[in-house]
Amino acid sequence: AIQLTQSPSSLSASVGDRVTITCRASQGVGRALAWYQQRPGKPPGLLMYDVSTLEGGVPSRFSGSGSGTDFTLTISSLQPEDSATYYCQQFNKYPWTFGQGTKVEVK
Amino acid sequence: EVQLVQSGAEVKKPGESLKISCKGSGYTFVDHWIGWVRQMPGKGLEWMGIIYPVDFDTRYSPSFEGQVIISVDKSVNTAYLQWTTLKASDTAVYYCARLTSYCTGGTCYYFDYWGQGTLVTVSS
Repeated sequence: AIQLTQSPSSLSASVGDRVTITCRASQGVGRALAWYQQRPGKPPGLLMYDVSTLEGGVPSRFSGSGSGTDFTLTISSLQPEDSATYYCQQFNKYPWTFGQGTKVEVK
Repeated sequence: EVQLVQSGAEVKKPGESLKISCKGSGYTFVDHWIGWVRQMPGKGLEWMGIIYPVDFDTRYSPSFEGQVIISVDKSVNTAYLQWTTLKASDTAVYYCARLTSYCTGGTCYYFDYWGQGTLVTVSS
């Protein structure tokens, strides 16, 4: 199975900071990568797919980049409501897999 | 409005059976695969499998194949996740999610709508 390793596992940053989360795949996944945001006690919500295509309604401060095995999720100006855990997921090969998650705390 | 509404929380004993449900509305149910995702307490997301309501084509993660059964009844727009013999380690929140394709290739997917989750607690 393709392993997705996210880094860091957690981070704490201030409002307005630029935050970057990395997702590294154990083998190439092309562009078949999505990102989700999960707030405590809630189901995950889609942020973007196809590496960098923002889901409708997602603020433009979120962006994605990368290809092959290395991908990043960037929040350009962190807001209090961005406090959540973020997951990447690959759809390139069964079994589809998720990264272990990155918990973002807003100071 | 697209909605996936899951059945309520369950408390079961080890060895018991269970079937939880996920009812879709607000879209053409048979146009989308439905997936299931496990989240154990305090842990991350694990992809379990997907099912296509038209022909019941099902794909399982090897981690879950033989441990659960994914099924669907398109007459009532509902997908199911079933256990025949529960274990304490099955304690988790289970989410269903709608799969959407954005191209005609084989890997262009994402889960765009999620159910609210069903908490399954297995304890003696």
